[in-house]
Amino acid sequence: DGGITQSPKYLFRKEGQNVTLSCEQNLNHDAMYWYRQDPGQGLRLIYYSQIVNDFQKGDIAEGYSVSREKKESFPLTVTSAQKNPTAFYLCASLSGNSEKLFFGSGTQLSVL
Amino acid sequence: GQQLNQSPQSMFIQEGEDVSMNCTSSSIFNTWLWYKQDPGEGPVLLIALYKAGELTSNGRLTAQFGITRKDSFLNISASIPSDVGIYFCAGVRHDSNYQLIWGAGTKLIIKP
Repeated sequence: DGGITQSPKYLFRKEGQNVTLSCEQNLNHDAMYWYRQDPGQGLRLIYYSQIVNDFQKGDIAEGYSVSREKKESFPLTVTSAQKNPTAFYLCASLSGNSEKLFFGSGTQLSVL
Repeated sequence: GQQLNQSPQSMFIQEGEDVSMNCTSSSIFNTWLWYKQDPGEGPVLLIALYKAGELTSNGRLTAQFGITRKDSFLNISASIPSDVGIYFCAGVRHDSNYQLIWGAGTKLIIKP
């Protein structure tokens, strides 16, 4: 089945630790996105990438980093500089001829 | 970043009731999208609207692209328990590199 796979579903981070959230898509979509969602709130854009080897900061990029070495993959690293990382993280992708965004099932990150 | 004004923030309704929610903006949009998010999952696209005045249905759901292009409405008829969740609107402007602007969501709760 085609889709977007995020892993792991749940992740725990110790203070001072970097953690990486995985996002893989087999939809052959060009653009990929990372959003952060806090309880009871909407979606805030962290980073996005429209083509391989290129990515742009969103509204809340500080404390996060990404890479786009392959079209299928867009991993997000939550660095130790992100002081409030507990949130639900959503990865999404968009095909070149569509304005419809498709989402993965999310990763819940919590701080130990 | 910019956000759409989505209302109401939450709704408590009886099963079988009709539901209405809307999103407004001071900016014109080219596309309106409506998503539903179940707890612990990623949002799923319900309806996409592409022209001012367009009225589109998906089962018991009907959405409209406002004539002014600054707003959109979602109606759910005869609500059932599985309609519970958070509904998000998103607007797309072609002159902003096709970035989605999100509403904060409407949480639908069905009273037992």
